[in-house]
Amino acid sequence: DAMVIQNPRYQVTQFGKPVTLSCSQTLNHNVMYWYQQKSSQAPKLLFHYYDKDFNNEADTPDNFQSRRPNTSFCFLDIRSPGLGDAAMYLCATSPELISNQPQHFGDGTRLSIL
Amino acid sequence: RKEVEQDPGPFNVPEGATVAFNCTYSNSASQSFFWYRQDCRKEPKLLMSVYSSGNEDGRFTAQLNRASQYISLLIRDSKLSDSATYLCVARHQAGTALIFGKGTTLSVSS
Repeated sequence: DAMVIQNPRYQVTQFGKPVTLSCSQTLNHNVMYWYQQKSSQAPKLLFHYYDKDFNNEADTPDNFQSRRPNTSFCFLDIRSPGLGDAAMYLCATSPELISNQPQHFGDGTRLSIL
Repeated sequence: RKEVEQDPGPFNVPEGATVAFNCTYSNSASQSFFWYRQDCRKEPKLLMSVYSSGNEDGRFTAQLNRASQYISLLIRDSKLSDSATYLCVARHQAGTALIFGKGTTLSVSS
């Protein structure tokens, strides 16, 4: 049973047209993360939420925003996608912010920019 | 220097072979370590956590050497289904990201 669910699996958008990716979880985990993974590269953290507390990574572009309306859902908003934003976007969760807890990933959304 | 570095691979091995992957990390404050497996165009999936005492899960054995800042993964009796990219991952304090290596690709052939 999928516990971290991302929709859609594939998303195509036009250059500059805002797009929203969604993630939901049935694990009741406190922490939700968004990673960006470009082809042949390692996943890179964009930001995370601990409950409603938002934490942005220093090098995450302003073009990327996130919302977490409740424990179960988290959204990634890309305000004006550029060609360089084409990537796999991975949502992950963990129960707490404890270093020895692994993170559980969703299937990812593959974003293409036309 | 990248924070987590792995053997570049790819590793091409026959079924039944034993294969070992190595990984080094540069931040001595790293506290926790994991091996994730990622199939082509899929999400990373946790393979196993890595403990200082070493740990084994079936055909997979992970070891950590904090003094040398070195992590390894040993796969015995390789199966075709083991073909994937194996990501070495560190986490150096609570509240921060998983730091992924670029991954080592394993291809097991019959």
